[in-house]
Amino acid sequence: DVKVTQSSRYLVKRTGEKVFLECVQDMDHENMFWYRQDPGLGLRLIYFSYDVKMKEKGDIPEGYSVSREKKERFSLILESASTNQTSMYLCASSFGTSGYNEQFFGPGTRLTVL
Amino acid sequence: AQSVSQHNHHVILSEAASLELGCNYSYGGTVNLFWYVQYPGQHLQLLLKYFSGDPLVKGIKGFEAEFIKSKFSFNLRKPSVQWSDTAEYFCAVNIFNKFYFGSGTKLNVKP
Repeated sequence: DVKVTQSSRYLVKRTGEKVFLECVQDMDHENMFWYRQDPGLGLRLIYFSYDVKMKEKGDIPEGYSVSREKKERFSLILESASTNQTSMYLCASSFGTSGYNEQFFGPGTRLTVL
Repeated sequence: AQSVSQHNHHVILSEAASLELGCNYSYGGTVNLFWYVQYPGQHLQLLLKYFSGDPLVKGIKGFEAEFIKSKFSFNLRKPSVQWSDTAEYFCAVNIFNKFYFGSGTKLNVKP
C-alpha cells in the first residue's frame, strides 16, 4: 500500500518566516508533486520532480522553491512566507512516465501565515 | 495553458438519486483522464481512470465515467447515490505526465 506522508498536518507561521514542508513516499516513485488546494480553485501545481535533483515549475511557482536530494523525499520551501500563501498544501507521487499511472496523495498540510 | 472545467461547484441530492458530474478539458491531443474523490477529512483518492480502450470505465463504489472524445468530456456518473458519497470530486487530465485538475464539485447527499 502506497504511503505518502507529510511532516505536519497543521502549521502556523508568521509573515517573512522561511517555511519547510516535507513529503516522503515509500513506494520508490520517480515523480513527486506539490500542489496547493484552495476553495473553488481546485488543485494548482506548484512544482514537480521526475527524478532526484530534478525539478520543474508548475503553474504557480512564485514564492516557492523545492528540493529533492533523495528519491523518496520532496521538500517545498516558502522563502519568505506571506499571508496569501495561507492554504492547504498537498504532496503527491506517481510511478513512471507513461502518464496513465495515478497520483497518490498525502494527507495535506494546512498552513496559516499570520 | 491547458484547462479542466467542472461545471457544477456544489450539488445537493437525496439518497437514491442519480448523479452526473460534468468534466471538460481543453487539450486536443491524447490524454489520460482521472476522477479523484476527497471524503471529509481524508486524502484524495482515485475513483477511476481512463487511458485507452472502452470509453466507459468503471471505478470503485459503483461509479463510472464516459469518455467522449468529440466533446472533450469525461463525465462521472452513479445510478443511485448514498449518504456516504458526500465528498468533493475532482476531475484531472494528464498531458505529458503533468496533471491538470478541475476546481472540484462538492456533493452533499441528504439521507
